Amino acid sequence: NAGVTQTPKFRVLKTGQSMTLLCAQDMNHEYMYWYRQDPGMGLRLIHYSVGEGTTAKGEVPDGYNVSRLKKQNFLLGLESAAPSQTSVYFCASSYWNERETQYFGPGTRLLVL
Amino acid sequence: GENVEQHPSTLSVQEGDSAVIKCTYSDSASNYFPWYKQELGKRPQLIIDIRSNVGEKKDQRIAVTLNKTAKHFSLHITETQPEDSAVYFCVSSSGGYQKVTFGIGTKLQVIP
Repeated sequence: NAGVTQTPKFRVLKTGQSMTLLCAQDMNHEYMYWYRQDPGMGLRLIHYSVGEGTTAKGEVPDGYNVSRLKKQNFLLGLESAAPSQTSVYFCASSYWNERETQYFGPGTRLLVL
Repeated sequence: GENVEQHPSTLSVQEGDSAVIKCTYSDSASNYFPWYKQELGKRPQLIIDIRSNVGEKKDQRIAVTLNKTAKHFSLHITETQPEDSAVYFCVSSSGGYQKVTFGIGTKLQVIP
């Protein structure tokens, strides 16, 4: 039982490049989330999903897109990376009946030059 | 939207002393308050939580208190140990998955 995993662990992008971050969970959780963590700002919700095929915007969705084609995977895409998107990205998941208890992945550190 | 203020931003204590971290929230509909611990370079992990129908909850050396009237909740760590050193986040939730607001975090350093 790996829990929540994220790939890649670290990535450097040039401004304007695109990339996809992958989150996978093997706990059969219905809900999945993407957060970004910046110094002095805690964690902020980017997008979330309440089930396969559904996604919704969180607090800071601009510049990101997501997809949940399979229940166990939640993808975060950056179509045209900007330096302001330099951050640590955390994925999390939870059960539908314990939605507030979130299990986090190990994080992806992204640097946009 | 919800606003969560967390104090202090950094806290240094001697090993064995107690540590207290305080948070205030603004949304009266908030009813669930978890605390996460994040060690350096690691993922946030839930350490304790409290719901709005409870005033206090303990789990060994950690406890959380909630004052709904004043809209504040606190994390108490007693007999601190070096392994307690981490960043602690308070969270306010109104029960919806999209209504989860994190505080900015408190960096706790326990000095041996």
